[in-house]
Amino acid sequence: EAGVVQSPRYKIIEKKQPVAFWCNPISGHNTLYWYLQNLGQGPELLIRYENEEAVDDSQLPKDRFSAERLKGVDSTLKIQPAELGDSAVYLCASSLLRGYEQFFGPGTRLTVL
Amino acid sequence: GDSVTQMEGPVTLSEEAFLTINCTYTATGYPSLFWYVQYPGEGLQLLLKATKADDKGSNKGFEATYRKETTSFHLEKGSVQVSDSAVYFCALSYAGGTSYGKLTFGQGTILTVHP
Repeated sequence: EAGVVQSPRYKIIEKKQPVAFWCNPISGHNTLYWYLQNLGQGPELLIRYENEEAVDDSQLPKDRFSAERLKGVDSTLKIQPAELGDSAVYLCASSLLRGYEQFFGPGTRLTVL
Repeated sequence: GDSVTQMEGPVTLSEEAFLTINCTYTATGYPSLFWYVQYPGEGLQLLLKATKADDKGSNKGFEATYRKETTSFHLEKGSVQVSDSAVYFCALSYAGGTSYGKLTFGQGTILTVHP
């Protein structure tokens, strides 16, 4: 069974540029999560989806970050415009249902210059 | 709010040494506790978990016991291998309420095992 797929794995951009990350969860998983992992820190939840509905986005900086999960499958996280402080690893995870084991993708490492 | 604190790293051991990685937590309720492992270039994987006080989670020779009285969930392994080199994260989550299913992680501990 394929795991959570994320792309790109690495992204380098100039500040003020837009950037987007893509996540394909495990087939059949209802719940999808985006986490932010700063260097030397544990992951922090940005947003959680149940199907296509964002049910917990309290930690998402909505002035520059946006996310969508069309048709309740793939998801995209976007930053526009990117700032130097956005350099981090962006992790996607999915679970069968809320509260079930979360399976993580390998992450996208973003560097903002 | 809830938080998880792990021992400072990195931890460097020789093969077959005994491993302990300390984890303590602060919680408003009665969470489940987890250890995740992240191997180089891979996503986080659930290593073990415990859902209530005095439960012991175990997997791949690793063990951790949920200690409510000391609010701790220390990870141990009797004999580490080079292949155990990874980053280890302690985390908590609730089985109900508004934070149901939300994972709160510690900062991670880097483990390096030398032959």
